[in-house]
Amino acid sequence: EAGVAQSPRYKIIEKRQSVAFWCNPISGHATLYWYQQILGQGPKLLIQFQNNGVVDDSQLPKDRFSAERLKGVDSTLKIQPAKLEDSAVYLCASSLGRTLGNTIYFGEGSWLTVV
Amino acid sequence: DQQVKQNSPSLSVQEGRISILNCDYTNSMFDYFLWYKKYPAEGPTFLISISSIKDKNEDGRFTVFLNKSAKHLSLHIVPSQPGDSAVYFCAARGNNAGNMLTFGGGTRLMVKP
Repeated sequence: EAGVAQSPRYKIIEKRQSVAFWCNPISGHATLYWYQQILGQGPKLLIQFQNNGVVDDSQLPKDRFSAERLKGVDSTLKIQPAKLEDSAVYLCASSLGRTLGNTIYFGEGSWLTVV
Repeated sequence: DQQVKQNSPSLSVQEGRISILNCDYTNSMFDYFLWYKKYPAEGPTFLISISSIKDKNEDGRFTVFLNKSAKHLSLHIVPSQPGDSAVYFCAARGNNAGNMLTFGGGTRLMVKP
């Protein structure tokens, strides 16, 4: 079974530029998550989708971050304009559903450096 | 406000000995706890979990203990192996949180041969 796929793996951009990350969850997984992991910290949830609907985006900085999952499968996370503090690993994850016991599987992450 | 804390950023253990990783939480609404393991340049992988109705869950070399009154959980690895060297994250979920996890900051475990 293929895991969660993410691209690009690494990206370096200048501040105020924009960047987009793509995620393809495990086949059949209805729930998709984007996490931000800053170096030395644990992952922090940015947004959670159930199929193509947003369940929670309370920690997403909406002035510069946006995410979509239009057809309920792939998802894109965009940052525009980027700030230095956005340097982090962006982890996409998926699970079969939202209920207890549904294991969350993570992708390898997209490493962003803003200079 | 860190609701899940791992106060030890690193731990070094000799191969064959026990590794004990600790985690504290503040939110009494958390009802499910998980440990994830992360190797460099990879995403976290699920290791073991425990529901708040239990105080212990065991899976092979890995055991998680939960002390609800102290809001504390720990992961025991016995015996420790060099391949266990990784960063371990404690995570918690609220009872109405829709499978959204709050993670601790992680503990880097180094198992020396």
